[in-house]
Amino acid sequence: DAGITQSPRHKVTETGTPVTLRCHQTENHRYMYWYRQDPGHGLRLIHYSYGVKDTDKGEVSDGYSVSRSKTEDFLLTLESATSSQTSVYFCAISVPGTSGNTDTQYFGPGTRLTVL
Amino acid sequence: AQKITQTQPGMFVQEKEAVTLDCTYDTSDPSYGLFWYKQPSSGEMIFLIYQGSYDQQNATEGRYSLNFQKARKSANLVISASQLGDSAMYFCAMEGSNYQLIWGAGTKLIIKP
Repeated sequence: DAGITQSPRHKVTETGTPVTLRCHQTENHRYMYWYRQDPGHGLRLIHYSYGVKDTDKGEVSDGYSVSRSKTEDFLLTLESATSSQTSVYFCAISVPGTSGNTDTQYFGPGTRLTVL
Repeated sequence: AQKITQTQPGMFVQEKEAVTLDCTYDTSDPSYGLFWYKQPSSGEMIFLIYQGSYDQQNATEGRYSLNFQKARKSANLVISASQLGDSAMYFCAMEGSNYQLIWGAGTKLIIKP
């Protein structure tokens, strides 16, 4: 158990409303990630963080912002949700030294977001 | 650019048979890592196995092993003695910069009793 929780687990919202998803870890790992998963695709990286207040964009960052004010929390915000952002969102942490000389990503349970 | 390709959208396998799930990759980095994850119908992503490009031997974890062929740029997952609980989506992923993962589209495996 990598100690990652996501909230909420399910959310239905309307187009144009702001939405914030929370990822919480209990182990103070440096790297955290937000991915989205859509049918026919693997996971696609939205944003990631390499420390408090240190974040960077991933492959599909348009329409999303993130914040990390504490090591244990990584927030994903949809400023104005659109139907194309209906997806399952996964948070992950990178745990050092668990796979040879590299880190291994462990995932939270996911958040299913529906934008109507 | 790094890329992962999983060419089998779906597979049906008889229980207790061995299964090979294909994964090919493309990278110009001399050092890289490859991961396999399982996603059952309940939705969670479960880490299975890792292979480093410089590892001398193919990785094994219980019933899971990696058939790593560097010259062919393939890292196929082999599941021995399949069980009904192995039915799931399986994803191959490659490590990118800043420990990011680049993912394949996945293979849906169904084990038949």
